[in-house]
Amino acid sequence: EAQVTQNPRYLITVTGKKLTVTCSQNMNHEYMSWYRQDPGLGLRQIYYSMNVEVTDKGDVPEGYKVSRKEKRNFPLILESPSPNQTSLYFCASRPGLYTDTQYFGPGTRLTVL
Amino acid sequence: GNSVTQMEGPVTLSEEAFLTINCTYTATGYPSLFWYVQYPGEGLQLLLKATKADDKGSNKGFEATYRKETTSFHLEKGSVQVSDSAVYFCALSDIGAGNNRKLIWGLGTSLAVNP
Repeated sequence: EAQVTQNPRYLITVTGKKLTVTCSQNMNHEYMSWYRQDPGLGLRQIYYSMNVEVTDKGDVPEGYKVSRKEKRNFPLILESPSPNQTSLYFCASRPGLYTDTQYFGPGTRLTVL
Repeated sequence: GNSVTQMEGPVTLSEEAFLTINCTYTATGYPSLFWYVQYPGEGLQLLLKATKADDKGSNKGFEATYRKETTSFHLEKGSVQVSDSAVYFCALSDIGAGNNRKLIWGLGTSLAVNP
């Protein structure tokens, strides 16, 4: 089944404790991205990647890192999480830069205390 | 810059009622327009899209027509079901910095359908 998977689905952590949220897609998509979803602010893009080893900042990159060592994986790294990063995070992929339809993972609910 | 405005929710309807969720946009050029749906506890999934003026996107009984003259892409369904309860997002395609083709999202409209 074609899908985007994320782990973990739920995470509660404390300020400053490094964490990684994994994202994997099995559709051989070139383009992957991370969003956060917050009430009243909608979805905002954090980082995106056009292909392996090619990543760039989205609209709200501060406090996040990403890597794209393999085509299928696009982990989101919070080196020193803070409470304002409490949010619902979505990974998404699409076939290429010039395609519009995105495929979303199920989301990761992160709480930073 | 480009933007999307959709009606605030929550919207509460009885089963078999008619649904309209308004979406208007501001954009230069001719973006593609989308409706995504987010069911409880799940990620977003594409519901329908339209790529040019006067196109009608349709799926699962939902429809939306790309109206350039009114810059609108309203979502409609003639008879909603309890299973349609979800959050609906309107979005348009945009070209950002570094040729990043991304989506500009509305804030979402929550729909609750009662039996």
